Amino acid sequence: EADIYQTPRYLVIGTGKKITLECSQTMGHDKMYWYQQDPGMELHLIHYSYGVNSTEKGDLSSESTVSRIRTEHFPLTLESARPSHTSQYLCASSRDRANYEQYFGPGTRLTVT
Amino acid sequence: ILNVEQSPQSLHVQEGDSTNFTCSFPSSNFYALHWYRWETAKSPEALFVMTLNGDEKKKGRISATLNTKEGYSYLYIKGSQPEDSATYLCALNYNQGGKLIFGQGTELSVKP
Repeated sequence: EADIYQTPRYLVIGTGKKITLECSQTMGHDKMYWYQQDPGMELHLIHYSYGVNSTEKGDLSSESTVSRIRTEHFPLTLESARPSHTSQYLCASSRDRANYEQYFGPGTRLTVT
Repeated sequence: ILNVEQSPQSLHVQEGDSTNFTCSFPSSNFYALHWYRWETAKSPEALFVMTLNGDEKKKGRISATLNTKEGYSYLYIKGSQPEDSATYLCALNYNQGGKLIFGQGTELSVKP
């Protein structure tokens, strides 16, 4: 069983609030990822990190930001939530090769009212 | 943006039926094709990672094949069981970095 955790699992919050979605893994993986899935759509990569102090934007543009100060921790922040941010956010990690599987967290379902 | 197509979008079968899904992708250089199973309220779980043309992998009643020259992969489930009900995702690595491009998934429902 994968050791990757996300909190909260569900979040309903008002417009304009600042939110941070937490993601932690205990497998010592260097690579970590954030994916976003809108209802009925594919998972899209929004951020990734190849190690501490390394972050890059993914294929789908996102107003969120991420940080990677510790190997095990990869939080995602929205400075001012909007209804358009309503979505499911999944965090994943992997070992350092393209042909290694990614381990996913259970996701955070965010609703911005 | 590269496109990964999965078909069918959804599938309803009876317990004991065998079934298969397709993942299609541009036939070009890539590093790996991944299959994941995603059950409701759980995390996506890796089934297979395939890299070579002609690759065939098997895990219990589930198997997959890869044809990189024509740009498709098949996932087979033999004798479907209700616990196989899930969304099956296909994803591709097009670079060494590990970034995945996902298809929309095939939603499988197996009725007892």
